[in-house]
Amino acid sequence: DIQMTQSPSSLYAAVGDRVTITCRASQSISNYLNWYQQKPGKAPKILMYAAFSLQRGVPSRFSGSGSGTDFTLTISSLQPEDFATYFCQQSYVIPYTSGQGTKLEIK
Amino acid sequence: QVQLQESGPRLVKPSQTLSLTCSVSHDSVTTTAYYWTWIRQSAGKGLEWIGRIYTTGSTNYSPSLRGRVTISVDTSKNQFSLNLSSVTAADTAMYYCAREFRSGYSYFADWGQGTLVTVSS
Repeated sequence: DIQMTQSPSSLYAAVGDRVTITCRASQSISNYLNWYQQKPGKAPKILMYAAFSLQRGVPSRFSGSGSGTDFTLTISSLQPEDFATYFCQQSYVIPYTSGQGTKLEIK
Repeated sequence: QVQLQESGPRLVKPSQTLSLTCSVSHDSVTTTAYYWTWIRQSAGKGLEWIGRIYTTGSTNYSPSLRGRVTISVDTSKNQFSLNLSSVTAADTAMYYCAREFRSGYSYFADWGQGTLVTVSS
């Protein structure tokens, strides 16, 4: 199975900050990389697919980049509703696998 | 907007079979555009893909669960189901059903709210 490693596991930031979350795959996955946002007690929600394609309805302050093994999710100016846990997930090959999550908390 | 809703027992005894059903509204399980998928998440952990089914009945399962997992679809009820046999405490998790957009770049487009299943005697 492809291992997905996210860093950091937790991140403290303030409203208005720019934050970046990193995801690394154990082998090349081209750009078959998705990002999800999960709030407490809720199901994950798709933010970005194919590494940098924004899902319809997701604010443009979210952006993604990367290819091969290294990927990033950037939030350009944090809003109060962005404090949540973020997961990366590879869709290159089944079994699909995800990172352990990055919990974004208010500083 | 599609809606997915999981249902089934919340408590399962060790060695028994976990059975969940996902009811789909505002879409049909016979669509060719999506896979119907089960995902689980243990407390504080990542997302574990369990498997999926296509409208043809074709299935794919996680190798780590193969032999214990069966996913089926009931087109008459617009539902799909998960059976996981010989459960242990390690199978305790939040179980989600989801709709996987079937494209060159697939992703889990829509999710049920999830159901917490505990394996305990």
